[in-house]
Amino acid sequence: DAGITQSPRHKVTETGTPVTLRCHQTENHRYMYWYRQDPGHGLRLIHYSYGVKDTDKGEVSDGYSVSRSKTEDFLLTLESATSSQTSVYFCAISAGSGANVLTFGAGSRLTVL
Amino acid sequence: AQTVTQSQPEMSVQEAETVTLSCTYDTSESDYYLFWYKQPPSRQMILVIRQEAYKQQNATENRFSVNFQKAAKSFSLKISDSQLGDAAMYFCAYRSENNNDMRFGAGTRLTVKP
Repeated sequence: DAGITQSPRHKVTETGTPVTLRCHQTENHRYMYWYRQDPGHGLRLIHYSYGVKDTDKGEVSDGYSVSRSKTEDFLLTLESATSSQTSVYFCAISAGSGANVLTFGAGSRLTVL
Repeated sequence: AQTVTQSQPEMSVQEAETVTLSCTYDTSESDYYLFWYKQPPSRQMILVIRQEAYKQQNATENRFSVNFQKAAKSFSLKISDSQLGDAAMYFCAYRSENNNDMRFGAGTRLTVKP
């Protein structure tokens, strides 16, 4: 167990509703990431954080926002969910950039109807 | 932007045989890192092996080894003595020295036949 907990693990929601996914770590790592996984695309970075209140955009950040008020928690918010945001979302942690590997959570499957 | 290409959407191998999964990448950088991750049906992403670009020696982890060809920008994964538990989706990934974005290929689904 890498000490990463994602919640909820499964969620079904309707178009236009707000959704928040939570990632909690017990490793005290500085870096946290949100990826989405879609068939034919592998995993793509949405946003990442390099410290409390320090975040930056990734490759597919449109329609998503993040917040990190504590080292251990990284929240991903869909302000108004769309069907194109139906996906599996993975949180990951890392001790740093470059050589440091990403350790992933178990994933959260989101379905937007 | 760096791109990672896995040209084999699906592969199959007989149990106890050897299989090689292909990966190519595009970058103009000299310092970077390459990874192979395994995703079994449980959906958990598991690191299989890692290679530093500055190292000429190919990385090895038990039955898993890589063939890293820096000039050709190729990073293939060889699985020896394949086991039923090796059946999974395999993702090749690239990460530069100073970039926080790990780029993934689309994945190769490996089936192991008993």
